[in-house]
This record gives sequence, C-alpha cells and structure tokens, in this order.
Amino acid sequence: QQQVKQSPQSLIVQKGGISIINCAYENTAFDYFPWYQQFPGKGPALLIAIRPDVSEKKEGRFTISFNKSAKQFSLHIMDSQPGDSATYFCAGAGSYQLTFGKGTKLSVIP
Amino acid sequence: EAQVTQNPRYLITVTGKKLTVTCSQNMNHEYMSWYRQDPGLGLRQIYYSMNVEVTDKGDVPEGYKVSRKEKRNFPLILESPSPNQTSLYFCASSLGGFNTEAFFGQGTRLTVV
Repeated sequence: QQQVKQSPQSLIVQKGGISIINCAYENTAFDYFPWYQQFPGKGPALLIAIRPDVSEKKEGRFTISFNKSAKQFSLHIMDSQPGDSATYFCAGAGSYQLTFGKGTKLSVIP
Repeated sequence: EAQVTQNPRYLITVTGKKLTVTCSQNMNHEYMSWYRQDPGLGLRQIYYSMNVEVTDKGDVPEGYKVSRKEKRNFPLILESPSPNQTSLYFCASSLGGFNTEAFFGQGTRLTVV
C-alpha cells in the first residue's frame, strides 16, 4: 500500500507565527499533491495543490514547497490566524488514486 | 449550489442489519469515491467509480459494496455491518481523475453496536 507520511500529528502556533506541516510520499506515479483543510463537523475542502513540475506555489498566506528528488512537500501558513485552526491533510494523487496522510491538527492560539 | 450530498448525517445501527448511505452530486462529475475517516488513520479510500457502471476497490473495501447506476449517485452499501465499521464516512466527486480537485460531502457518522 502506497503511503503518504505526514508530520507532525498536532501543532500549536501563536497567532502571527508560521505553521509548517511536512509530508513524504513513496509513489512516483503521483502527479498531483493537494492539501485539504477540514473544520470540525465538515468535509475536507481543497486548500491548495501543486503539480510536480513546479517547486513552489503560493496562494495568499499559504505556500506549498515541493522537492521532487526527495519525494517531500510541505505546507507553510504565514501569519497564522485563529481561524486557521483545523485539521490539514496532505495527499498524493494519480488518475485513479488519492492517498491521504494521517492529518495534522493545527491550533492557533491568540 | 454545487455540492455533494450525503444521507443520513448520523446513523446508529445494530450488527448485521443492512444499510445504505446515499451520495449525490450535482456537478456532472465523472469520478466519485467513498472514504472512511478514523482517528489517527486519516482518510482511507473504500471504493471509487470512474463512470456509470465502472467501479473499483480502494484501500479498504472489505465489508462494503457500491453501485453506480446513474452518474450523479454513488451509494455505499453495508450488507452486514460490524462494530469495526463504526466510522465517519465521506463521499467525494471530481471532474477528471483523482488528480483534480475533489469535492467532499458533509460526512456520515455511523455507529454499529
């Protein structure tokens, strides 16, 4: 079973700080690396995603850094806000497969 | 509004009593899938469908069945539920393959006693 390994399992960050979540994948057939954000009682929703032909993608305060040779990618949340408190899932995907990491529970404290 | 709708949201049932969780999407998406979410295990794919009458097993298919008779609907069937199927279930759809944005339903919390 192809895995996506995600760390840390939980993260506490002060308001205004930088949150960093890391993921590593095994399946070199993955061609899409999304991050999903999930609030309690809700389904996951796409936050940001990257294809392996680029090394970085930025959308507002959220940035994905991608290292193809190391098979690693990470999510950086700049100026973290209490409203960012949620569970974040990284994933690797191909046409017929979407494999998630185990999730990181982020708490941003005022 | 574009959405994936699951029903019911909450369900408590007894071991062995057949149940169906429905999933419907209004975005004309080709791909649909079911996931279960368990603490510490993340989201694991149960079954997926690439189009009408085309389905395949995901990572944890044991004890589940699916069907795709219409493009918009993808029900999950538990023919003889067991307590280890107590979980939070999500249906998702995407326009292209799974390497495009997936839209998730609100989830169904199932308890099997």
